[in-house]
Amino acid sequence: KAGVTQTPRYLIKTRGQQVTLSCSPISGHRSVSWYQQTPGQGLQFLFEYFSETQRNKGNFPGRFSGRQFSNSRSEMNVSTLELGDSALYLCASSLELAGVNEQFFGPGTRLTVL
Amino acid sequence: GNSVTQMEGPVTLSEEAFLTINCTYTATGYPSLFWYVQYPGEGLQLLLKATKADDKGSNKGFEATYRKETTSFHLEKGSVQVSDSAVYFCARGIQGAQKLVFGQGTRLTINP
Repeated sequence: KAGVTQTPRYLIKTRGQQVTLSCSPISGHRSVSWYQQTPGQGLQFLFEYFSETQRNKGNFPGRFSGRQFSNSRSEMNVSTLELGDSALYLCASSLELAGVNEQFFGPGTRLTVL
Repeated sequence: GNSVTQMEGPVTLSEEAFLTINCTYTATGYPSLFWYVQYPGEGLQLLLKATKADDKGSNKGFEATYRKETTSFHLEKGSVQVSDSAVYFCARGIQGAQKLVFGQGTRLTINP
């Protein structure tokens, strides 16, 4: 099976712009989660989607949003970019196994905001 | 709350040394516990997991035991290799949600 794929792998934007990142989960996985990784804050949960619905949301401003399509692919969008949004954005997919939250991660998208 | 505390790094060892990276979690419910590894320029790879108390997860010579009494999940390996150099993350699941809470990560460097 192919793993989780994320596009693009690298992105450079300027302050005030917006960006869209894409994630394709492992075939058969219906849950997709997004995380932000920075040297200062570590790995922080952004949100999780299942069957095109956002089920869980982390503590991020409304500039961060996402969606999931019927084929389970997901996108996240960041509007009005700030320098502090520079980070590695990781997508993870998982099966719905009761009580087990095993997640499989993609390689990430490295976003640099200038 | 739900948190994970990991041993501060960086950790530098010689090849064939014994490795321990400490991890403790807050005792909210009975979460699944995980160790993930991140190699330079890559995403996270699941190294091992344990889903209930006294379970031992193991993979590639690494082991960790779910200790409910000490709320710990320490990672161990008897003889490390240069190729084990990476950042290691301890994580706990959140019951009822597909969400992981991570420790701050421990950078491990193995010298030949």
